[in-house]
Amino acid sequence: EAGVAQSPRYKIIEKRQSVAFWCNPISGHATLYWYQQILGQGPKLLIQFQNNGVVDDSQLPKDRFSAERLKGVDSTLKIQPAKLEDSAVYLCASSLDRTNYYWEQFFGPGTRLTVL
Amino acid sequence: AQTVTQSQPEMSVQEAETVTLSCTYDTSESDYYLFWYKQPPSRQMILVIRQEAYKQQNATENRFSVNFQKAAKSFSLKISDSQLGDAAMYFCAYRRRDGANSKLTFGKGITLSVRP
Repeated sequence: EAGVAQSPRYKIIEKRQSVAFWCNPISGHATLYWYQQILGQGPKLLIQFQNNGVVDDSQLPKDRFSAERLKGVDSTLKIQPAKLEDSAVYLCASSLDRTNYYWEQFFGPGTRLTVL
Repeated sequence: AQTVTQSQPEMSVQEAETVTLSCTYDTSESDYYLFWYKQPPSRQMILVIRQEAYKQQNATENRFSVNFQKAAKSFSLKISDSQLGDAAMYFCAYRRRDGANSKLTFGKGITLSVRP
């Protein structure tokens, strides 16, 4: 079974530029998560999708970050314009469903963003 | 809000020895899941072990076991017969059992090194 795919693996941009990350979850997984992991910290949820609907985006800086999940499969996370503090690893994860029953979250390899 | 605290930033263990990683958490919920994740330099988050709060029995997975103290809100990971491949960052994480939001709340992590 193929895992969660993310691209690019690395990205370096200047502040005020825009950037986009792509995630392809495991086939059949209804729930998709984007986490931000700043160096030296644990991942923090930015947004959670159930199919193509948003469950939680309370920690997403909506003035500069946006995310979408087309047709309930792939997802893109965009930052525009980027700030120095956005330098982090962006992790995508997916699971079968968000309901009460436990489903394991599977993580992708992440995208390391450096903002200069 | 739930919080997860890992107060030890680094630990070191001799190969074949046993090491214990500590974690405390705070929640007002009575039913939840606790996890330990491993993150090697490749950045891929890997689930090590899971504990359901309603279960009194401590979870075990081969060389990995936990000491779950619900009243004290403590959740430590014991790694027996440490191997060089165990060297990584380890994150303690919490998830509510029910409700719409299945996000993981992570601690800051601990870097484990294994000495040959």
